[in-house]
Amino acid sequence: AQSVTQLDSQVPVFEEAPVELRCNYSSSVSVYLFWYVQYPNQGLQLLLKYLSGSTLVKGINGFEAEFNKSQTSFHLRKPSVHISDTAEYFCAVMPPRGGSEKLVFGKGTKLTVNP
Amino acid sequence: DGGITQSPKYLFRKEGQNVTLSCEQNLNHDAMYWYRQDPGQGLRLIYYSQIVNDFQKGDIAEGYSVSREKKESFPLTVTSAQKNPTAFYLCASSIRDSYNEQFFGPGTRLTVL
Repeated sequence: AQSVTQLDSQVPVFEEAPVELRCNYSSSVSVYLFWYVQYPNQGLQLLLKYLSGSTLVKGINGFEAEFNKSQTSFHLRKPSVHISDTAEYFCAVMPPRGGSEKLVFGKGTKLTVNP
Repeated sequence: DGGITQSPKYLFRKEGQNVTLSCEQNLNHDAMYWYRQDPGQGLRLIYYSQIVNDFQKGDIAEGYSVSREKKESFPLTVTSAQKNPTAFYLCASSIRDSYNEQFFGPGTRLTVL
């Protein structure tokens, strides 16, 4: 079974600073990887996904993530954050074709961007 | 505009009452999902359906029931057997057999008094 660990439950940063939100996964097979963002009292929105190919994935709102198979990580980065990036971020994995097609989510990281 | 709607946004019920949460999508997606979100717990899958008239239990199905009579609709009933029903409930949909995006609704916050 797959599992996801988001290493930081809360990350405070100042506006225009860089940020990295960490995600590690455990799986005995290849997986697909996703990052979602949730603004307060709203649903989730996809930021980016890794299915195959280049290990550096670019998403919306200036975010990017790098897939590292040897370290089983998929960390999310942004070089310069804005106040509007304050939200909760979820890393998720999905087993490969032939599995249950279910997303398994981490517990989330709350990013707070301070002025 | 295509999307997923959930209603109501806030719901209050007395302990011991069943309550049904609505989820409707006009994205023509075959697959639909219900998740429960608790603070600090991430999202946990309650039920999912990949086709009309068929659905499967997720990781925390006890105390919940669903139906899938129409492609567009996937209502969730929280029964009195659910021991701790107060939570934020999210509905999602996706193209079947796709490893791409699940689209999420805005959620329903259920509070049981």
